Amino acid sequence: NAGVTQTPKFRILKIGQSMTLQCTQDMNHNYMYWYRQDPGMGLKLIYYSVGAGITDKGEVPNGYNVSRSTTEDFPLRLELAAPSQTSVYFCASTRSSGNTIYFGEGSWLTVV
Amino acid sequence: AQSVTQLDSHVSVSEGTPVLLRCNYSSSYSPSLFWYVQHPNKGLQLLLKYTSAATLVKGINGFEAEFKKSETSFHLTKPSAHMSDAAEYFCVVTPSSGGSYIPTFGRGTSLIVHP
Repeated sequence: NAGVTQTPKFRILKIGQSMTLQCTQDMNHNYMYWYRQDPGMGLKLIYYSVGAGITDKGEVPNGYNVSRSTTEDFPLRLELAAPSQTSVYFCASTRSSGNTIYFGEGSWLTVV
Repeated sequence: AQSVTQLDSHVSVSEGTPVLLRCNYSSSYSPSLFWYVQHPNKGLQLLLKYTSAATLVKGINGFEAEFKKSETSFHLTKPSAHMSDAAEYFCVVTPSSGGSYIPTFGRGTSLIVHP
């Protein structure tokens, strides 16, 4: 089983560039999440989705956008990258509240 | 509403000694509780979970945790630490059903294991 797959694993962006972090899961999970983790810090929720066509903001949504056109895919778009967006990004999914949350391997992003 | 407090940001033990990582929670709903481990530069891996069955939960790599409703705690323990246990550990709470769709993470506890 592939589980949650994120791409790319590493990326360096210049200030002002845009990019999309891809996330796909093959477990038919309804709930999907994007988190960022800064050095020595916990996880902060950027956006989440409870099903195809439904997305909502988390704790730190500024500078990001998401879409959920299918159950499987939940891409995260960074518009006009800034150094403050240098972080590790994790995509996660779960079947429903109270069930195991599965994480991707992470995407290391540096904005210079 | 729900929240998680990991009481120690760092825990330092010697190899072969017991490990105790503390987690307190609050939840308006019957909670599901999880411990995840994150090794350096890796993703998060599930150690164990409590979902209203047995209050003593056994996980991978010899870890276990006990759900204590009266104390609103879910502390993680291991009888004997190994060097490979050095990692970041996260306590997580979600409603077991209904309520918020959003898991709440603790800030993490860094486990340091000395030879």
